[in-house]
Amino acid sequence: SQELEQSPQSLIVQEGKNLTINCTSSKTLYGLYWYKQKYGEGLIFLMMLQKGGEEKSHEKITAKLDEKKQQSSLHITASQPSHAGIYLCGAASTANAGNNRKLIWGLGTSLAVNP
Amino acid sequence: DTEVTQTPKHLVMGMTNKKSLKCEQHMGHRAMYWYKQKAKKPPELMFVYSYEKLSINESVPSRFSPECPNSSLLNLHLHALQPEDSALYLCASSQDPRRGGRSYEQYFGPGTRLTVT
Repeated sequence: SQELEQSPQSLIVQEGKNLTINCTSSKTLYGLYWYKQKYGEGLIFLMMLQKGGEEKSHEKITAKLDEKKQQSSLHITASQPSHAGIYLCGAASTANAGNNRKLIWGLGTSLAVNP
Repeated sequence: DTEVTQTPKHLVMGMTNKKSLKCEQHMGHRAMYWYKQKAKKPPELMFVYSYEKLSINESVPSRFSPECPNSSLLNLHLHALQPEDSALYLCASSQDPRRGGRSYEQYFGPGTRLTVT
């Protein structure tokens, strides 16, 4: 079964609109990563969250990790065509540092931004 | 500099060919990774090297052979591949989790698009 659930699976928004992507687990997450991928290209690291309640922002993208460290949201303000792509959440599911080289992944959210 | 480079960008090979994928990083990272990604799927971990030693092999078929000649380079040697091995192969690197006892973000290369005919 998929350990990280991402929603929505796909999203089409009008340029300038705000949007939110969610990433949820039934287990405690010890490191939550957000990546963006353009089709056929590598993953671009966006942000990493580790502490419950943590929030980080970069330009118009804000990511939060809930207090229980089981859910994260990625919020884009005033979306632009350059935000289009696939957003993936990945997580370390164990507190054992030696084991958390292997991440679990959500299935991704495909975002299209119409001009 | 957070760049991971991969060569070649595209590769087409027959089932009897031998080829290699190359990956390089100069961030001083001591953990390096190979992933395989099929269309519309997340990356699947294949191998992890930690301090130039293989630490994780996710039951990958022996037709894929990784090599880490030094701390900056990672190779993936390919031999007798099958058409179903066609995919995007991604390399990544990170600080090793043993350093500091926490997880670290992985930085990915642009990938090699492999087609097996």
